[in-house]
Order: sequence, then structure tokens, then C-alpha cells
Amino acid sequence: AQSVTQLGSHVSVSEGALVLLRCNYSSSVPPYLFWYVQYPNQGLQLLLKYTTGATLVKGINGFEAEFKKSETSFHLTKPSAHMSDAAEYFCAVTANTGNQFYFGTGTSLTVIP
Amino acid sequence: NAGVTQTPKFQVLKTGQSMTLQCAQDMNHEYMSWYRQDPGMGLRLIHYSVGAGITDQGEVPNGYNVSRSTTEDFPLRLLSAAPSQTSVYFCASSYGQGGYNEQFFGPGTRLTVL
Repeated sequence: AQSVTQLGSHVSVSEGALVLLRCNYSSSVPPYLFWYVQYPNQGLQLLLKYTTGATLVKGINGFEAEFKKSETSFHLTKPSAHMSDAAEYFCAVTANTGNQFYFGTGTSLTVIP
Repeated sequence: NAGVTQTPKFQVLKTGQSMTLQCAQDMNHEYMSWYRQDPGMGLRLIHYSVGAGITDQGEVPNGYNVSRSTTEDFPLRLLSAAPSQTSVYFCASSYGQGGYNEQFFGPGTRLTVL
């Protein structure tokens, strides 16, 4: 079974500051990990994913995440926040052989001008 | 290429009514799924399908039925709506038969059950 925990349902950062959104996972098998972003009144859009190989994954819009097996974490970062980054962010996990996604409860990111 | 489309965008039902939420994709994706999104609970998988004629239950299947007669369409049926089914429903699809590929989401259907 898999699960995801996102720490912090709301995060506020100043424009230009570092963005750090936390995600910890639980999986009994090698996981595939994902970050999705949801803008108001829209569906979800893939930011980045980790399947195998390099543990530092780069995504769209300057975001990246690092898979740390020892810490069971997949935190999302961006060096410099932009106003357009304000959205809801979801971490998700699935097994490498599975077809069921498990999403976290989401983190709402506010960017302060 | 319209991607994943969902109809209707908004729906209000009375308790006990039935309805079907429509989902279609034009990307020839084998995998399709339905989620519900509730405040503070993220997205939860209702049902999924790995190809025409094949469906399976997700995390919260009770009160919902699905079928997959074609690759393109994956409707979600509420047999007897309950207030607990008030939610935003998202359909998604992905290439291949596994959920580990990127999922493409529709714009959602906001359902209110009175």
C-alpha cells in the first residue's frame, strides 16, 4: 500500500524567496512519485515525476524535487518564487507496477508581493 | 486535440436522483480514471480502467458505477445521489495500462447534492 503526507496545508512566501513544499511517502514497493499543480478552477497539471534513475528531478516552471529514499521524502523546491506560482500543489505516489494513484491533501502556496 | 473533456461543468441534484458524468479523451489513452476532490482530503480515486471493457475499483468506489465500452469514453454513474457525494469530480487519462505515466486531467465537474 502507498500513502503520501504533505506537511503544511498553507505556505506563504515572498516573491523572490525560496519555495519549499514538503512531501513524505510510504510505500512497500519501489515508488513512482509525482508533483502536480492546480490553478483555481482548473484540473491538475504535472510538474515533475520520479520513476527511476537520477534522484534530482527537474520539472516545468523552474521547480525541482529530490527523491530521498532514506528519508522517504520528495520535497518540491524552487529557488525564487514568482507571483504566478500561487496555486495548490499535490504530491502523489504509485507503485512502479501499480495503477492506483494516491494523492496528498495538498499545499496551497501564496506568494506575497 | 481537445485532451480530456468533461460534461457538465456544474450540476445540482436532489437526494436520490441519478445522473452520469461524462468523460472523453482523444489521445488514444488506455488508462482512464475518476477522482473526487474534497477540501482537506486531496484527490481520491473512485474507479479506473486500463482499457476498453476493463474497470476496477479505487479507494472510494461506493455509490458509483463505471463502464468502458470504448477507448475514448469513461462515464461515471451516480445511481442514487447523496449529500456526501457533493464534490468536484475529475477525470484523467494516461498512456499505457499503468497509472505511473503522466495523467492528463479534465477541467472537472462541480456536483452539489441537496
